[in-house]
Amino acid sequence: QVQLQQWGAGLLKSSETLSLTCAVYGGSVSGYYWSWIRQSPGMGLEWIGESNDSGSTNYSPSLKSRVSISVDRSKNEFSLKLNSVTAADTAVYYCARVWYAPFDSWGQGNLVIVAS
Amino acid sequence: DIQMTQSPSAMSASVGDRVTITCRASQGISTYLAWFQQKPGKVPKRLIYGSSTLHSEVPSRFSGFGSGTEFTLTISSLQPEDFATYYCLQHFDYPWTFGQGTKVEI
Repeated sequence: QVQLQQWGAGLLKSSETLSLTCAVYGGSVSGYYWSWIRQSPGMGLEWIGESNDSGSTNYSPSLKSRVSISVDRSKNEFSLKLNSVTAADTAVYYCARVWYAPFDSWGQGNLVIVAS
Repeated sequence: DIQMTQSPSAMSASVGDRVTITCRASQGISTYLAWFQQKPGKVPKRLIYGSSTLHSEVPSRFSGFGSGTEFTLTISSLQPEDFATYYCLQHFDYPWTFGQGTKVEI
Protein backbone atom coordinates (compact mmCIF):
# COMPACT_ATOMS: atom_id res chain seq x y z
CA GLN A 1 0.00 0.00 0.00
CA VAL A 2 1.61 3.22 -1.11
CA GLN A 3 1.78 6.03 1.43
CA LEU A 4 2.13 9.73 0.71
CA GLN A 5 3.70 12.13 3.18
CA GLN A 6 3.61 15.82 2.43
CA TRP A 7 5.19 18.91 3.92
CA GLY A 8 5.77 22.60 3.32
CA ALA A 9 5.38 26.08 4.73
CA GLY A 10 2.05 26.66 6.42
CA LEU A 11 2.02 30.45 6.67
CA LEU A 12 2.72 32.76 3.76
CA LYS A 13 2.34 36.43 2.99
CA SER A 14 0.56 37.74 -0.08
CA SER A 15 2.68 37.58 -3.26
CA GLU A 16 4.95 34.83 -1.88
CA THR A 17 5.32 31.38 -3.44
CA LEU A 18 3.59 28.35 -1.97
CA SER A 19 5.84 25.31 -2.05
CA LEU A 20 4.76 21.79 -0.99
CA THR A 21 6.44 18.41 -1.43
CA CYS A 22 4.94 14.94 -1.29
CA ALA A 23 7.13 11.88 -0.73
CA VAL A 24 6.01 8.47 -1.96
CA TYR A 25 6.66 5.44 0.25
CA GLY A 26 6.02 1.82 -0.63
CA GLY A 27 6.02 2.43 -4.35
CA SER A 28 7.67 4.32 -7.18
CA VAL A 29 6.76 7.68 -8.67
CA SER A 30 7.42 6.21 -12.10
CA GLY A 31 4.46 5.06 -14.15
CA TYR A 32 1.81 7.20 -12.49
CA TYR A 33 0.37 10.67 -12.57
CA TRP A 34 0.59 12.65 -9.33
CA SER A 35 -1.91 15.32 -8.44
CA TRP A 36 -2.54 18.18 -6.08
CA ILE A 37 -6.01 19.05 -4.80
CA ARG A 38 -7.03 21.82 -2.44
CA GLN A 39 -9.95 22.57 -0.17
CA SER A 40 -10.71 26.07 1.05
CA PRO A 41 -12.03 26.30 4.64
CA GLY A 42 -15.55 24.91 4.81
CA MET A 43 -15.66 24.46 1.04
CA GLY A 44 -15.44 21.69 -1.52
CA LEU A 45 -12.55 20.09 -3.34
CA GLU A 46 -10.68 21.71 -6.22
CA TRP A 47 -8.30 19.91 -8.58
CA ILE A 48 -5.10 21.88 -9.13
CA GLY A 49 -3.21 19.74 -11.59
CA GLU A 50 -1.03 16.71 -12.20
CA SER A 51 2.32 15.58 -13.51
CA ASN A 52 4.07 12.33 -14.33
CA ASP A 53 7.78 11.51 -14.12
CA SER A 54 8.26 12.28 -17.81
CA GLY A 55 7.25 15.87 -17.25
CA SER A 56 3.80 15.63 -18.80
CA THR A 57 1.53 18.03 -16.95
CA ASN A 58 -2.10 19.14 -16.86
CA TYR A 59 -3.27 22.14 -14.87
CA SER A 60 -6.52 23.80 -13.93
CA PRO A 61 -6.96 26.79 -16.27
CA SER A 62 -7.85 28.99 -13.30
CA LEU A 63 -4.39 28.40 -11.79
CA LYS A 64 -2.31 27.58 -14.85
CA SER A 65 -0.48 30.90 -14.99
CA ARG A 66 0.77 30.51 -11.41
CA VAL A 67 1.23 26.78 -10.83
CA SER A 68 3.97 24.25 -11.46
CA ILE A 69 3.97 20.55 -10.56
CA SER A 70 7.09 18.42 -10.96
CA VAL A 71 8.18 14.87 -10.18
CA ASP A 72 11.67 13.95 -8.93
CA ARG A 73 12.48 10.30 -9.63
CA SER A 74 15.75 10.43 -7.73
CA LYS A 75 14.00 11.42 -4.51
CA ASN A 76 10.75 9.55 -5.23
CA GLU A 77 8.73 12.66 -4.55
CA PHE A 78 6.76 15.36 -6.32
CA SER A 79 6.18 19.02 -5.66
CA LEU A 80 3.74 21.88 -6.05
CA LYS A 81 4.65 25.50 -6.52
CA LEU A 82 2.04 28.24 -6.66
CA ASN A 83 3.35 31.75 -7.02
CA SER A 84 1.89 35.15 -6.24
CA VAL A 85 -0.45 33.76 -3.59
CA THR A 86 -3.34 35.74 -2.13
CA ALA A 87 -5.80 35.12 0.69
CA ALA A 88 -7.95 33.22 -1.83
CA ASP A 89 -5.25 30.52 -1.90
CA THR A 90 -5.74 29.75 1.79
CA ALA A 91 -6.71 26.09 1.88
CA VAL A 92 -5.79 22.58 2.89
CA TYR A 93 -3.62 21.17 0.10
CA TYR A 94 -3.58 17.42 -0.59
CA CYS A 95 -1.29 15.35 -2.78
CA ALA A 96 -2.73 12.22 -4.38
CA ARG A 97 -1.98 9.46 -6.87
CA VAL A 98 -3.80 8.66 -10.09
CA TRP A 99 -3.90 4.88 -10.65
CA TYR A 100 -6.45 3.65 -13.18
CA ALA A 101 -8.57 6.50 -11.87
CA PRO A 102 -8.11 9.45 -9.52
CA PHE A 103 -7.13 9.39 -6.43
CA ASP A 104 -6.55 6.05 -4.78
CA SER A 105 -3.99 7.31 -2.26
CA TRP A 106 -3.83 10.68 -0.53
CA GLY A 107 -1.36 12.61 1.59
CA GLN A 108 -2.38 13.80 5.03
CA GLY A 109 -3.03 17.37 3.89
CA ASN A 110 -1.32 20.66 4.71
CA LEU A 111 -3.13 23.79 5.81
CA VAL A 112 -1.63 26.79 4.07
CA ILE A 113 -2.69 30.21 5.31
CA VAL A 114 -1.96 33.34 3.30
CA ALA A 115 -1.88 36.47 5.41
CA SER A 116 -2.35 39.81 3.75
CA ASP B 1 -15.26 23.14 -17.94
CA ILE B 2 -17.62 20.26 -17.16
CA GLN B 3 -19.92 21.22 -14.29
CA MET B 4 -20.83 18.54 -11.78
CA THR B 5 -24.04 19.11 -9.81
CA GLN B 6 -24.86 16.96 -6.81
CA SER B 7 -28.23 16.60 -5.18
CA PRO B 8 -29.19 16.98 -2.50
CA SER B 9 -26.60 19.31 -0.98
CA ALA B 10 -27.45 17.95 2.45
CA MET B 11 -29.74 15.33 3.86
CA SER B 12 -30.84 13.90 7.15
CA ALA B 13 -30.99 10.14 7.50
CA SER B 14 -31.11 7.42 10.11
CA VAL B 15 -29.08 4.29 10.66
CA GLY B 16 -30.45 1.57 8.42
CA ASP B 17 -31.84 3.96 5.81
CA ARG B 18 -31.23 3.50 2.10
CA VAL B 19 -29.55 6.66 0.84
CA THR B 20 -29.12 7.76 -2.78
CA ILE B 21 -27.05 10.73 -3.92
CA THR B 22 -27.20 11.97 -7.50
CA CYS B 23 -24.46 13.60 -9.55
CA ARG B 24 -25.22 15.20 -12.92
CA ALA B 25 -22.61 16.24 -15.47
CA SER B 26 -23.12 19.22 -17.78
CA GLN B 27 -22.02 17.03 -20.68
CA GLY B 28 -21.47 13.33 -21.27
CA ILE B 29 -18.53 11.82 -19.39
CA SER B 30 -19.03 8.12 -20.18
CA THR B 31 -18.16 6.34 -16.91
CA TYR B 32 -15.22 8.57 -15.93
CA LEU B 33 -16.79 9.24 -12.55
CA ALA B 34 -15.47 8.61 -9.05
CA TRP B 35 -17.03 9.03 -5.62
CA PHE B 36 -15.21 10.11 -2.45
CA GLN B 37 -16.17 10.18 1.22
CA GLN B 38 -14.81 12.81 3.58
CA LYS B 39 -15.35 12.97 7.32
CA PRO B 40 -14.77 16.25 9.21
CA GLY B 41 -11.09 17.06 9.53
CA LYS B 42 -10.09 13.93 7.61
CA VAL B 43 -8.60 13.12 4.24
CA PRO B 44 -11.05 12.18 1.47
CA LYS B 45 -11.25 8.48 0.65
CA ARG B 46 -12.10 6.99 -2.72
CA LEU B 47 -15.20 4.78 -2.62
CA ILE B 48 -15.94 4.08 -6.26
CA TYR B 49 -14.29 4.63 -9.63
CA GLY B 50 -15.37 3.93 -13.18
CA SER B 51 -18.88 4.88 -12.02
CA SER B 52 -19.52 1.50 -10.40
CA THR B 53 -16.29 -0.25 -9.37
CA LEU B 54 -15.79 -0.44 -5.62
CA HIS B 55 -12.38 0.64 -4.32
CA SER B 56 -10.60 -2.04 -2.29
CA GLU B 57 -11.94 -2.64 1.22
CA VAL B 58 -15.01 -0.45 0.68
CA PRO B 59 -18.08 -2.16 2.18
CA SER B 60 -20.51 -3.70 -0.27
CA ARG B 61 -23.37 -1.54 1.04
CA PHE B 62 -21.93 1.18 -1.21
CA SER B 63 -22.76 1.01 -4.90
CA GLY B 64 -22.49 3.29 -7.90
CA PHE B 65 -24.40 3.45 -11.15
CA GLY B 66 -24.67 5.55 -14.25
CA SER B 67 -23.04 6.70 -17.44
CA GLY B 68 -23.21 9.74 -19.66
CA THR B 69 -24.57 12.58 -17.57
CA GLU B 70 -26.40 11.03 -14.62
CA PHE B 71 -24.85 9.02 -11.80
CA THR B 72 -25.91 7.75 -8.41
CA LEU B 73 -24.18 6.66 -5.24
CA THR B 74 -26.33 4.41 -3.05
CA ILE B 75 -25.75 3.27 0.51
CA SER B 76 -28.05 0.31 1.00
CA SER B 77 -28.19 0.45 4.80
CA LEU B 78 -26.65 3.52 6.41
CA GLN B 79 -24.21 2.82 9.22
CA PRO B 80 -23.03 5.25 11.92
CA GLU B 81 -19.61 5.53 10.28
CA ASP B 82 -21.20 6.62 6.97
CA PHE B 83 -22.23 10.05 8.21
CA ALA B 84 -19.92 12.22 6.12
CA THR B 85 -19.75 14.43 3.04
CA TYR B 86 -19.68 12.72 -0.34
CA TYR B 87 -18.17 14.16 -3.52
CA CYS B 88 -18.31 13.06 -7.13
CA LEU B 89 -15.45 13.76 -9.54
CA GLN B 90 -15.36 13.65 -13.32
CA HIS B 91 -12.04 12.81 -14.99
CA PHE B 92 -13.33 12.58 -18.57
CA ASP B 93 -11.89 15.93 -19.55
CA TYR B 94 -9.53 18.51 -18.13
CA PRO B 95 -9.91 20.32 -15.86
CA TRP B 96 -11.15 17.55 -13.62
CA THR B 97 -14.07 18.85 -11.58
CA PHE B 98 -15.73 17.84 -8.34
CA GLY B 99 -19.35 18.17 -7.38
CA GLN B 100 -20.10 20.58 -4.54
CA GLY B 101 -20.62 17.78 -2.05
CA THR B 102 -23.53 16.11 -0.26
CA LYS B 103 -23.50 16.13 3.52
CA VAL B 104 -25.23 13.13 5.05
CA GLU B 105 -26.15 13.82 8.66
CA ILE B 106 -28.37 12.44 11.34
